[in-house]
Amino acid sequence: KQEVTQIPAALSVPEGENLVLNCSFTDSAIYNLQWFRQDPGKGLTSLLLIQSSQREQTSGRLNASLDKSSGRSTLYIAASQPGDSATYLCAVTRAGNNRKLIWGLGTSLAVNP
Amino acid sequence: DGGITQSPKYLFRKEGQNVTLSCEQNLNHDAMYWYRQDPGQGLRLIYYSQIVNDFQKGDIAEGYSVSREKKESFPLTVTSAQKNPTAFYLCASSIRSGTQETQYFGPGTRLLVL
Repeated sequence: KQEVTQIPAALSVPEGENLVLNCSFTDSAIYNLQWFRQDPGKGLTSLLLIQSSQREQTSGRLNASLDKSSGRSTLYIAASQPGDSATYLCAVTRAGNNRKLIWGLGTSLAVNP
Repeated sequence: DGGITQSPKYLFRKEGQNVTLSCEQNLNHDAMYWYRQDPGQGLRLIYYSQIVNDFQKGDIAEGYSVSREKKESFPLTVTSAQKNPTAFYLCASSIRSGTQETQYFGPGTRLLVL
């Protein structure tokens, strides 16, 4: 059974710091891995999607890596800003016809001015 | 302005009452999904539909029902059989484009029990 774990559950950093969020999954048979952002009381916004054959994806100050063999992904945020404060969720898509997403619990990030 | 809309933003349910949450998308996506989000738990899939007039149960379908009569719409009914309906409900849609597929989410509906 696929399980997704995110560490840490919460993180508080001063503005300007570079930081890393971690996501691990138990079954390497995935179609892709995605990182989402959720602001309090809001829906989710897709940040980065990494196909199973890819090693990393970049968007602006965000860089996501994927090591499928070890079941790990990291989301690197450079030069953090208070506007980055949100919950970051990791989800893997199971391989096969039934492409359901399996979700982690998220990391709650606070970037302090 | 394309996107997914959910209404209402807040919904109150009385004991024994059925309530319906609306989800509409104008992204021309084939697939639509309903998730439930509770504090301390990951998103859990309630129902999903990959095409009009077809839908499948997710992991926690008991006490819920859906319909998919139009491509743009995927309403969720929370029935009186759902004993713990208080949660944040998220609707999403997706389209498969080659090997890329990501889900786009609506703003959510918070359901509270009176």
